[in-house]
Amino acid sequence: DTGVSQNPRHKITKRGQNVTFRCDPISEHNRLYWYRQTLGQGPEFLTYFQNEAQLEKSRLLSDRFSAERPKGSFSTLEIQRTEQGDSAMYLCASSLGALESTDTQYFGPGTRLTVL
Amino acid sequence: TQLLEQSPQFLSIQEGENLTVYCNSSSVFSSLQWYRQEPGEGPVLLVTVVTGGEVKKLKRLTFQFGDARKDSSLHITAAQPGDTGLYLCAGATNTGNQFYFGTGTSLTVIP
Repeated sequence: DTGVSQNPRHKITKRGQNVTFRCDPISEHNRLYWYRQTLGQGPEFLTYFQNEAQLEKSRLLSDRFSAERPKGSFSTLEIQRTEQGDSAMYLCASSLGALESTDTQYFGPGTRLTVL
Repeated sequence: TQLLEQSPQFLSIQEGENLTVYCNSSSVFSSLQWYRQEPGEGPVLLVTVVTGGEVKKLKRLTFQFGDARKDSSLHITAAQPGDTGLYLCAGATNTGNQFYFGTGTSLTVIP
């Protein structure tokens, strides 16, 4: 396994359009996280899955955002009716979901979204 | 919500100099991770510290977790241009459900 992968790497869209991103985690990892990162800032937590269950969502995740992990493997993040403020890097990470004190996240390369 | 504050926010130094980056919080974390991120890429894990007072060394990088598990530092000895990047700390809550990232320190090492 070569790590977490994300597609597409870059997405340019017009305001009002819907976009969907995909994340493939490391195969044996139970947990999957989505983050948003703007330039020069640290990643901000959006949501996370334990297997196929979405266990936590940030208040940053408005009604226009939805994430799924239907079979507990890959995940998708959809943004409906995109706005210019949605422009950011969307990062996915996965972890084993082992003992909390030793669980480690591994990040994908991210999807850079630009909303015109 | 930024639970972790990093300082300095920006750092530009000459090759060969030493530097320390700080990561502070009023919250207690069960573990803390340090990452380095290059432009257009995802963060890459450098180290995880778990025990209060723990010190870990990774070549020229030394990481320390505070005794109370609220803060951490990263010290780089004899910085090299390849060390340039955004350094991020991230703390795991006691429930292990979320990782809170720091504000980041952008390091530039000038040859």
